[in-house]
Amino acid sequence: GDSVTQMEGPVTLSEEAFLTINCTYTATGYPSLFWYVQYPGEGLQLLLKATKADDKGSNKGFEATYRKETTSFHLEKGSVQVSDSAVYFCAPLPMNRDDKIIFGKGTRLHILP
Amino acid sequence: EAQVTQNPRYLITVTGKKLTVTCSQNMNHEYMSWYRQDPGLGLRQIYYSMNVEVTDKGDVPEGYKVSRKEKRNFPLILESPSPNQTSLYFCASSLPGGEKLFFGSGTQLSVL
Repeated sequence: GDSVTQMEGPVTLSEEAFLTINCTYTATGYPSLFWYVQYPGEGLQLLLKATKADDKGSNKGFEATYRKETTSFHLEKGSVQVSDSAVYFCAPLPMNRDDKIIFGKGTRLHILP
Repeated sequence: EAQVTQNPRYLITVTGKKLTVTCSQNMNHEYMSWYRQDPGLGLRQIYYSMNVEVTDKGDVPEGYKVSRKEKRNFPLILESPSPNQTSLYFCASSLPGGEKLFFGSGTQLSVL
């Protein structure tokens, strides 16, 4: 069945560093791809999405590009801030909408001032 | 304001004492779901509901019950809680197709 693998954390960076969180998936067909973020003490919220190959999702300075050839959707940010400290979840949504969204295990990000 | 409301936020109970965690959404969403979040295991789905009176098991349904008598409410019931159900629980809802899930703020449950 469909599955997702994202890099394990925690990831610790200094403020203004470049961030990459890797995510790869296996799926039948072409799922929609999402990144969700969970700030401390809160529920998950949608960060960005891409619904077809080569689409780039972006929000709050974060970007991710739907790479069909490598089945990847890596999350990037050019200059992280302390407020970006959170847990990030990669989540493919299968083409068959009777199937459910799949969440990766999450990557905890710590940004040091 | 569009939101998913869970109660309580924190709950400490003892083994075997029945409890209910409530979930309500004000967005008229058909789809609702319960997840548990555990360290190293990420988010796992317990039960979900595609619409009123329609519920299905997720990946880890054992020890839980749900009901969907009204569109807005989707309570999670633990008939006889055990310590291995100590976890952080989230309710979520979306329109059909699941393009964007809205999550509650979570319920931290401790079963002693």
